Amino acid sequence: ILNVEQSPQSLHVQEGDSTNFTCSFPSSNFYALHWYRWETAKSPEALFVMTLNGDEKKKGRISATLNTKEGYSYLYIKGSQPEDSATYLCAPLRKGAQKLVFGQGTRLTINP
Amino acid sequence: EAQVTQNPRYLITVTGKKLTVTCSQNMNHEYMSWYRQDPGLGLRQIYYSMNVEVTDKGDVPEGYKVSRKEKRNFPLILESPSPNQTSLYFCASSFGQGGYNEQFFGPGTRLTVL
Repeated sequence: ILNVEQSPQSLHVQEGDSTNFTCSFPSSNFYALHWYRWETAKSPEALFVMTLNGDEKKKGRISATLNTKEGYSYLYIKGSQPEDSATYLCAPLRKGAQKLVFGQGTRLTINP
Repeated sequence: EAQVTQNPRYLITVTGKKLTVTCSQNMNHEYMSWYRQDPGLGLRQIYYSMNVEVTDKGDVPEGYKVSRKEKRNFPLILESPSPNQTSLYFCASSFGQGGYNEQFFGPGTRLTVL
């Protein structure tokens, strides 16, 4: 089973501050990496699907980068707002595989 | 509205009583998948389907069955539920092959097996 590590497991940030967290995965046979946001009492929603080394994607105040050679991705949130409070999940996909393997997530709490 | 629906949303049952959790999507997605979420663990895949009549095991398939007779539906069957199947279950779907495109998740089904 693919080993996916997300750090930190939880994070408390003051409203207005920027933050980032990490997803680490085996770099061999990499094909794609997904990021999802999961708010409490809701279902996960896709943020990004990234495939190319050096790829950077942005959606509003949230952006992500990808390093496939060393096996990590960073998710950045600029100017955190209370609505950013959620668990952020990453899931890599290996070449030839048909399924995602999800990390345990980073639980982000924004303090007003 | 494009969506993935699951029923029931909440279910309390007893050991050994067969149950089915339905999943339906209206986006004409080829790929569908079932996950379970347990405290301290990430989403773990139970079964997935690449298209009609094509299903395969995920990482934790024991105790579950699935079928894909129609493109829009992918029910999860627990023939003889046990307490260790108490969990939060999500159905998801996506275009094309699994993992290559973003997945759309249903609202979740919280199952308790007594």
